[in-house]
Amino acid sequence: KQEVTQIPAALSVPEGENLVLNCSFTDSAIYNLQWFRQDPGKGLTSLLLIQSSQREQTSGRLNASLDKSSGRSTLYIAASQPGDSATYLCAVNSGYALNFGKGTSLLVTP
Amino acid sequence: DAGVIQSPRHEVTEMGQEVTLRCKPISGHNSLFWYRQTMMRGLELLIYFNNNVPIDDSGMPEDRFSAKMPNASFSTLKIQPSEPRDSAVYFCASSLGGIMNTEAFFGQGTRLTVV
Repeated sequence: KQEVTQIPAALSVPEGENLVLNCSFTDSAIYNLQWFRQDPGKGLTSLLLIQSSQREQTSGRLNASLDKSSGRSTLYIAASQPGDSATYLCAVNSGYALNFGKGTSLLVTP
Repeated sequence: DAGVIQSPRHEVTEMGQEVTLRCKPISGHNSLFWYRQTMMRGLELLIYFNNNVPIDDSGMPEDRFSAKMPNASFSTLKIQPSEPRDSAVYFCASSLGGIMNTEAFFGQGTRLTVV
């Protein structure tokens, strides 16, 4: 069974810092990996989708990388802002279902 | 497109009552998923439909849970009878052509509280 781990569980940074969120998975046989953002009491918003054949994807200040062989992905957030405060979830697709990590709760302080 | 639409957003019910959660997937998407989110276990897949047919319901906790997809634009998740341990946020998600290569989109969720 695919196990997805996200480190750290929580992170607090001052506004303007660049930061990296980590995701690791146990089975490298994946189709794709998706990063989501979840605000308190809200649904999941898709941020980036990386196919298994890709190394990275970028959207604005976000950059996600994928190293399938080592079972790792990182989400890089440049020049963080208070509005980036949320929980970030990594989800790995090894078949038809997404296996989720427990998330990293990010707080960006002004 | 309005995205994946779930109703109700919040549901409070008494133990033993029947609860029905509803989902309208994104038009044109042919895969639909029901997930449950709790603090302890995170997000777990309950059931997966493809072209309105249940493909995998191994995540459904017990026989008290049932799900249907009578057509491409509507799905329900029913709990009967409900128990306090069913309290969680239930999400519906949809994607195009199976999830192997495509992006999944989630609804806002239904927060269920069973007292």
